[in-house]
Amino acid sequence: GQSLEQPSEVTAVEGAIVQINCTYQTSGFYGLSWYQQHDGGAPTFLSYNGLDGLEETGRFSSFLSRSDSYGYLLLQELQMKDSASYFCAVRGSNYQLIWGAGTKLIIKP
Amino acid sequence: EAQVTQNPRYLITVTGKKLTVTCSQNMNHEYMSWYRQDPGLGLRQIYYSMNVEVTDKGDVPEGYKVSRKEKRNFPLILESPSPNQTSLYFCASRDGPAYEQYFGPGTRLTVT
Repeated sequence: GQSLEQPSEVTAVEGAIVQINCTYQTSGFYGLSWYQQHDGGAPTFLSYNGLDGLEETGRFSSFLSRSDSYGYLLLQELQMKDSASYFCAVRGSNYQLIWGAGTKLIIKP
Repeated sequence: EAQVTQNPRYLITVTGKKLTVTCSQNMNHEYMSWYRQDPGLGLRQIYYSMNVEVTDKGDVPEGYKVSRKEKRNFPLILESPSPNQTSLYFCASRDGPAYEQYFGPGTRLTVT
């Protein structure tokens, strides 16, 4: 079957750096995406990796290793507003997105 | 403003009473999806559509129907809702093979 694994919860301190990992097992692979969802809100797109390596967008970076079926989202200079759930998603065959169960990021002052 | 809209945002209904949740996007996207989100289970795809009159089942299609008669609209139909369909529902659209998906604000459905 197809699956994505990510930690259910991660805790970090304001101003610190946190990494959220995602491992995947899918029948097709056309890229790894990350989405952020605040409580009560809709998921919003953060980043995409189609090739191996690091993609940086401001305080957020995302990494992909296709040989290891692994990626991560790196959040730097954490702010309280970064408290949210983060989802990884793989685009498989037929353009379908396969989602992880999400990681709840808790930030302490 | 580019957006995906859903209606209603909140709905409480009773078992067996047919309902429709509407979804509309103004970005001319070909690809639209419906998801349900339950605690600890992430987003599970119900149905998706790759273009007008082209729909297919996702991971959890039982108890749901969809139609895609126009490119901008993708309604979700529950013919006979049951309590296990109580959930938060999201409609989403994407421009074909593009990786960025746009989500509607969500519809919180309670079936008693």
